[in-house]
Amino acid sequence: EDKVVQSPLSLVVHEGDTVTLNCSYEVTNFRSLLWYKQEKKAPTFLFMLTSSGIEKKSGRLSSILDKKELFSILNITATQTGDSAIYLCAVEALSGGGADGLTFGKGTHLIIQP
Amino acid sequence: EPEVTQTPSHQVTQMGQEVILRCVPISNHLYFYWYRQILGQKVEFLVSFYNNEISEKSEIFDDQFSVERPDGSNFTLKIRSTKLEDSAMYFCASSDLIAYEQYFGPGTRLTVT
Repeated sequence: EDKVVQSPLSLVVHEGDTVTLNCSYEVTNFRSLLWYKQEKKAPTFLFMLTSSGIEKKSGRLSSILDKKELFSILNITATQTGDSAIYLCAVEALSGGGADGLTFGKGTHLIIQP
Repeated sequence: EPEVTQTPSHQVTQMGQEVILRCVPISNHLYFYWYRQILGQKVEFLVSFYNNEISEKSEIFDDQFSVERPDGSNFTLKIRSTKLEDSAMYFCASSDLIAYEQYFGPGTRLTVT
């Protein structure tokens, strides 16, 4: 059974701090790992990672994948109160059918205090 | 920016009733998905759909559930006879044939009483 484990489950930091969120996975026929930000409702897409060692960056957010050690990290620098959310990690396995469902972790609940 | 839309935002129904949740995927996407999230729990995959047929489904997606693309824009999830444990947020997602990034709609909160 595919498994995604995120840590920590919750994190409280002060505005301006840098945070690192972790995601480890076990999946048969790995295709990709995705990061989402969930505020009130829908998960909002952040990154999709398929290759090891290549950092993806968007503003203050960055992410990298290690396919040998089966984990990914999401970094947020100079955090702002608007970064407060649940950050979800999900993996996609190749099923051969083309449209593959994602397996999600429980998420990291990040709270940024002013 | 194109987005996935879902209606209604909140549906309250009585146990045993049928419900249909509606989604309009992003227009050039060809893969469609339904997920659910029970309050306080993980997002769980239900089903994926491509080329007018189910591509993959999870154990949750039993005979009570069905999906349909009744026209060129809508994608629906039907629950035939709702149970209390079907109460959850249901998310629709879509992706294209190239990047496979799945984009989620705002969700429908289903409450079964």
